[in-house]
Amino acid sequence: AQKVTQAQTEISVVEKEDVTLDCVYETRDTTYYLFWYKQPPSGELVFLIRRNSFDEQNEISGRYSWNFQKSTSSFNFTITASQVVDSAVYFCALSEANAGGTSYGKLTFGQGTILTVHP
Amino acid sequence: ETGVTQSPTHLIKTRGQQVTLRCSSQSGHNTVSWYQQALGQGPQFIFQYYREEENGRGNFPPRFSGLQFPNYSSELNVNALELDDSALYLCASSLAGQGWYEQYFGPGTRLTVT
Repeated sequence: AQKVTQAQTEISVVEKEDVTLDCVYETRDTTYYLFWYKQPPSGELVFLIRRNSFDEQNEISGRYSWNFQKSTSSFNFTITASQVVDSAVYFCALSEANAGGTSYGKLTFGQGTILTVHP
Repeated sequence: ETGVTQSPTHLIKTRGQQVTLRCSSQSGHNTVSWYQQALGQGPQFIFQYYREEENGRGNFPPRFSGLQFPNYSSELNVNALELDDSALYLCASSLAGQGWYEQYFGPGTRLTVT
């Protein structure tokens, strides 16, 4: 069975601080996808990044960066120089892939981390 | 290109009643997934429909059922509502058949069961 654990329930920082959100996953699949989503108070899930299990290259997108380490089953998310607009609930998620390497898209989510950035 | 829409936005029902939630997929998408998100929790997969057939189901009882229509809009039906069914219900649409396909989430329907 797949499982995603986000150990940090809530994080509070002051604007311009860097913050890292941790994510640890469990799966028996050799091919899988990892995701981060942002959920603002409006409730809609906003896609941030997708990573497949064969690509351990870290990624940077503006102030966001992701560190994928297969050896420790972790996919951590760092926001550099946080801003008040970053305040939201962040979810890490895992999706299995079928034998063809594609996925029908069932997502297993972690519990979420509530990030509050104070001015 | 229109996004994923859901209706209604909010709904209050009484225990034992039945409810139907609706989702309109993004234009051109042929797959829809439904998720239940209880307060303070991550979304949990209910089921997925692909070309009008159920294509995978999570750990939810049969009183949770769905439909997908030829225009790829979808319904989630819940019978015999229980208090624990109170949650945000999210649908996500995608276009299957071209390798990985992105899921686009709607804003959700918040269901309160009293």
